[in-house]
Amino acid sequence: DGGITQSPKYLFRKEGQNVTLSCEQNLNHDAMYWYRQDPGQGLRLIYYSQIVNDFQKGDIAEGYSVSREKKESFPLTVTSAQKNPTAFYLCASSPRTGKRGGQDGYTFGSGTRLTVV
Amino acid sequence: GDSVTQMEGPVTLSEEAFLTINCTYTATGYPSLFWYVQYPGEGLQLLLKATKADDKGSNKGFEATYRKETTSFHLEKGSVQVSDSAVYFCALSDLNTNAGKSTFGDGTTLTVKP
Repeated sequence: DGGITQSPKYLFRKEGQNVTLSCEQNLNHDAMYWYRQDPGQGLRLIYYSQIVNDFQKGDIAEGYSVSREKKESFPLTVTSAQKNPTAFYLCASSPRTGKRGGQDGYTFGSGTRLTVV
Repeated sequence: GDSVTQMEGPVTLSEEAFLTINCTYTATGYPSLFWYVQYPGEGLQLLLKATKADDKGSNKGFEATYRKETTSFHLEKGSVQVSDSAVYFCALSDLNTNAGKSTFGDGTTLTVKP
């Protein structure tokens, strides 16, 4: 079945360490997104990409980086510059880009829970 | 900017009770509206959507109607089950942004007791 695979499910990061969260989709979707979820809060957009080799910052991009070298892959790196990285990270995709893509809704992965130790 | 306000939770109901979760929005353009559901430890799943005024989205017994005049998209279900216990998120995608981005509410936790 088609879907989005996020790995690992749980990740522990030491102070000053960079970590990379994987997101792979086999839905042939054009657009991909990274959101951060904190307890009792909604989702906040970190980065998004509408096409290979192009991506844009979301509302809380500081301390994060992404790449989109392949259509199906959109990894997120949490750098040491992110001061409060403990959160649940969700990757999502949608079939189309732009205004039409906004009408489709998202398919989400099952998330990665990152904890700073 | 765009925003979504959901009824505060948690909401606790008995099985077979009627459910309403309120959602109102602010958008600069003409948004599409969505409800997502999140079960413990999982990602969100799209529950239903509506893309224009007076559209009714429905799925698995849940319904929501796009009300432009009151900028609302309330979620309803006539008879809830224990398996409906989850967190429900209202979201919008403002077509003026031209990027397909969505804005989410803070979520409402529903617990259904047998």
